[in-house]
Amino acid sequence: NAGVTQTPKFQVLKTGQSMTLQCAQDMNHEYMSWYRQDPGMGLRLIHYSVGAGITDQGEVPNGYNVSRSTTEDFPLRLLSAAPSQTSVYFCASSPQGVIGYTFGSGTRLTVV
Amino acid sequence: GESVGLHLPTLSVQEGDNSIINCAYSNSASDYFIWYKQESGKGPQFIIDIRSNMDKRQGQRVTVLLNKTVKHLSLQIAATQPGDSAVYFCAERAGGATNKLIFGTGTLLAVQP
Repeated sequence: NAGVTQTPKFQVLKTGQSMTLQCAQDMNHEYMSWYRQDPGMGLRLIHYSVGAGITDQGEVPNGYNVSRSTTEDFPLRLLSAAPSQTSVYFCASSPQGVIGYTFGSGTRLTVV
Repeated sequence: GESVGLHLPTLSVQEGDNSIINCAYSNSASDYFIWYKQESGKGPQFIIDIRSNMDKRQGQRVTVLLNKTVKHLSLQIAATQPGDSAVYFCAERAGGATNKLIFGTGTLLAVQP
């Protein structure tokens, strides 16, 4: 099992550009989430999903879209990048009934 | 001036000592509380969880204590080792069946050899 795989690991965007952060898991987990982590702060929930076809907003959803067409994939789309979206983004997954999430290694995004 | 948010609370301990990391949570309805460890450049790693109807749970070298009266959670690490140096986050499961986690801001544990 590869676990939770995030790509790319690093990305630099110009203000106004759009892009998709990829997240894939091969553990057949039902739950998946996207978090952002800013310097010296905890993780804030952007969007989450309890299964294919089902998504919902977290604490900081503005400027981001998600979809969950398959169990394995949960991409995060930045519609029009802003410097305030400079952050490290983590994707996580867990099976139903399990409390702890397995996290990916993160995508470090810089918007200039 | 600098933002307070840029500086994590830091706990500095000597190798071999016990460490106690504290966390305050906000939602009385949270049903689970979890501790995560994050090493530099890596994603958070699950350490231990505790259900809201318990007040203590022990793992390997770690103990989590829950005080619902004051909404306080602590992680005790016995015989702290250099490999324990990391940022530790508490999280609460606020969404029940949705498994939605809300994280605290974290504490940096620095183990001195």
